[in-house]
Amino acid sequence: QKEVEQNSGPLSVPEGAIASLNCTYSDRVSQSFFWYRQYSGKSPELIMSIYSNGDKEDGRFTAQLNKASQYVSLLIRDSQPSDSATYLCAVNDYGGSQGNLIFGKGTKLSVKP
Amino acid sequence: NAGVTQTPKFRILKIGQSMTLQCTQDMNHNYMYWYRQDPGMGLKLIYYSVGAGITDKGEVPNGYNVSRSTTEDFPLRLELAAPSQTSVYFCASRKRDNEQFFGPGTRLTVL
Repeated sequence: QKEVEQNSGPLSVPEGAIASLNCTYSDRVSQSFFWYRQYSGKSPELIMSIYSNGDKEDGRFTAQLNKASQYVSLLIRDSQPSDSATYLCAVNDYGGSQGNLIFGKGTKLSVKP
Repeated sequence: NAGVTQTPKFRILKIGQSMTLQCTQDMNHNYMYWYRQDPGMGLKLIYYSVGAGITDKGEVPNGYNVSRSTTEDFPLRLELAAPSQTSVYFCASRKRDNEQFFGPGTRLTVL
């Protein structure tokens, strides 16, 4: 059973701090990795994708990938109350069907003013 | 572009009733997906389609059916609704690079 594991949280950080969200995956051959943000009562919104080892930065967000350790992380710099949401890690099911995604259960982030 | 649209937004069904959840995308994506999301349980794949006329089962297909007669539309059919099907249902479509885009969801309650 292929799995994506995330700490459910809640992760609480003060406004302006760095929020660090972590994700591990079981399928060693996975090639594509995604972070989705989901506000309460809303649908998941893609915020980052990463395909190669290392860091990828987009504004206040940095995704980090370490395939050898099967580990993906998302850093949010200068966290704002508007970043309070659940963050879903998703990994492609490379050996499965048509590149389907396997989702973690999500980490709930709370940014306190 | 409207992206992925879903109707209805909310629905209450009685046990044993049937209904169809509608999903339409205007991005000309070949791949489309139906997920359900239960509290604290993440997203579970129900069915997916790789193009018009082609569908396949995901992780939790029992109690559901799909069809894909056009690239744009991917309806999900619930036959004989059961309380276990109370959930939030999301439709998604994706580009070739695996980035999936979600619709706004349908919140279904079966009583």
